[in-house]
Amino acid sequence: EVQLLESGGGLVQPGGSLRLSCAASGFTFSSYAMSWVRQAPGKGLEWVSAISGSGGSTFYVDSVEGRFTISRDNSKNTLYLQINSLRAEDTAVYYCAKTSGFGVVGYFFDNWGQGTLVTVSS
Amino acid sequence: QSVLTQPPSASGTPGQRVTISCSGSSSNIGSNTVNWYQQLPGTAPKLLIYSNSQRPSGVPDRFSGSKSGTSASLAISGLQSDDEADYYCAAWDDSLNGWVFGGGTKLTVL
Repeated sequence: EVQLLESGGGLVQPGGSLRLSCAASGFTFSSYAMSWVRQAPGKGLEWVSAISGSGGSTFYVDSVEGRFTISRDNSKNTLYLQINSLRAEDTAVYYCAKTSGFGVVGYFFDNWGQGTLVTVSS
Repeated sequence: QSVLTQPPSASGTPGQRVTISCSGSSSNIGSNTVNWYQQLPGTAPKLLIYSNSQRPSGVPDRFSGSKSGTSASLAISGLQSDDEADYYCAAWDDSLNGWVFGGGTKLTVL
């Protein structure tokens, strides 16, 4: 059974940083691309970032480019999202999502974690 | 403003058939497959339809998807109270080089 467990969320001041983690189990982690998708309170889903199975290719939504960094440690079956220069509009539940293939284009999110809440406020 | 356009709400009575539309452009729906996600209240999203019309194992055949040109739709037949949820369409966008979602449709079973 695929399991994705996010951690690292919390309350942070504007301009601050956090590192989110997603511990994966139940599948061959290195064989699949992974993504982060966020959902602001009462709002819809927004894809944030993706990384290929090898970690060699990364993708970001324009609004986080330069502030967020996605990475993975395939030896630890763990996905990360380093988020810097946080803004109020980054407040959201951040979901870790497994992609159905090694790459990104043409695939879909077939498993989701339960999410971790990031609140940006002074 | 979401890249993919969905109606914000839809409703139906038990047993009815409802459809939810998703409109995009040539860079997303027009050139890539569409996926649908269901988000029950207070829970994480769940894959409902992939590759335009395929159902993952465990998803009832009451749910079906289709795509034509730059639009897609999700149909739910034999509506049940358990179907009350938010539904999102999504596709890869070749111009943005990333996934895009619709704004979501809140389905109410009357």
